[in-house]
Amino acid sequence: EVQLVESGEGLVQPGGSLRLSCAASGFTFSSYAMHWVRQAPGKGLEYVSAISSNGGSTYYADSVKGRFTISRDNSKNTLYLQMGSLRAEDMAVYYCARGEGTTVKTRSFDYWGQGTLVTVSS
Amino acid sequence: DVVMTQSPLSLPVTLGQPASISCRSSQSLVYSDGNTYLNWFQQRPGQSPRRLIYKVSNRDSGVPDRFSGSGSGTDFTLKISRVEAEDVGVYYCMQGTHWPLVTFGQGTRLEIK
Repeated sequence: EVQLVESGEGLVQPGGSLRLSCAASGFTFSSYAMHWVRQAPGKGLEYVSAISSNGGSTYYADSVKGRFTISRDNSKNTLYLQMGSLRAEDMAVYYCARGEGTTVKTRSFDYWGQGTLVTVSS
Repeated sequence: DVVMTQSPLSLPVTLGQPASISCRSSQSLVYSDGNTYLNWFQQRPGQSPRRLIYKVSNRDSGVPDRFSGSGSGTDFTLKISRVEAEDVGVYYCMQGTHWPLVTFGQGTRLEIK
């Protein structure tokens, strides 16, 4: 059974940093690109970042470019999102999601984690 | 960006009755490989999104056959033939054709009347 379990939930002041993790199991992690999608409280879904299966390619939405860094450790079956210079508008539940295939160019997300909440407030 | 517009945004339905959600894109979702990358996701209260349909009409494993997807080009529809209590939640369409500008619809909240 495919499982994605996010962690790293926290309250951060504006301008602060936080690292999210997503532990994967039930599939060959190193064979899939992985993605982060976020959902602000009471709002819809926003595509944030992607990383190819071998970590060689990444993508960032303009809203987070230069502030967030996506990475992965295939030996630990874990995906990361290092978030910096956090703003109020970054407050959201962050979901990791599996893409279809090895490249960042996913057309869909077939499995999602349960999400982890990032609160940005002074 | 490709704008995905869903309607209605709120959908009260009587148990056992059909339901239909529309999703329209601001640009064609037909990709150069001939596929149309339109997905539907269900988000039950307090849960993460779950994919129901991919490439317009392909049901994911474990998805009841009362769910069906149809459409082409810029107009798509998710239909539930007979709504059950477990179908309560928010439904999102999502286009993957124009990666990296992956976009979601605003969501349609289905509730039992």
